[in-house]
Amino acid sequence: AQSVTQLDSQVPVFEEAPVELRCNYSSSVSVYLFWYVQYPNQGLQLLLKYLSGSTLVKGINGFEAEFNKSQTSFHLRKPSVHISDTAEYFCAVRSNNNDMRFGAGTRLTVKP
Amino acid sequence: KAGVTQTPRYLIKTRGQQVTLSCSPISGHRSVSWYQQTPGQGLQFLFEYFSETQRNKGNFPGRFSGRQFSNSRSEMNVSTLELGDSALYLCASSLRTSNYGYTFGSGTRLTVV
Repeated sequence: AQSVTQLDSQVPVFEEAPVELRCNYSSSVSVYLFWYVQYPNQGLQLLLKYLSGSTLVKGINGFEAEFNKSQTSFHLRKPSVHISDTAEYFCAVRSNNNDMRFGAGTRLTVKP
Repeated sequence: KAGVTQTPRYLIKTRGQQVTLSCSPISGHRSVSWYQQTPGQGLQFLFEYFSETQRNKGNFPGRFSGRQFSNSRSEMNVSTLELGDSALYLCASSLRTSNYGYTFGSGTRLTVV
């Protein structure tokens, strides 16, 4: 069965610093990988997705993620964060027409 | 194009009652999924529907049920509410399959007292 582990529950960073949110997945078959962002009292918004092809995926708001099959990882990065990036970030995996599974989330707090 | 619409946004119910939540997907989207989000358990999958057929089901008791109509709108029902059912219920839609990612609604916040 597929599963997702987000390695950090909270990540505090200062404004304009780089950030990496870590995600590992487990699945015995090919996967589709996603990162979503959730702002308070809102639903989830798709940041980026990996379906196939290039392992470096660029998304909205300056975020990017790299798919590493050998490490079974899909870490999210941003070179310079803003206060407005403060939110909860979820990594998700789907394979073989199974349901989409989400990680527990990483709360990113950007401090001035 | 309108997004995923969930109604109502907020709901307060008493233990033992039942509740129905509604979701209207993006026009043209035929797949609808439901998730329960709580601080302790995170996002947990409830159901996935495609063209009125349940395609996947999560590990929830039979008190949780859902359906999808011919216009792709979906409802979920929870009977005999328990305090632990208090959560944010999120609906998400996609064209055919979530392989390309979901579009989520803003959710229905259910509080059971």
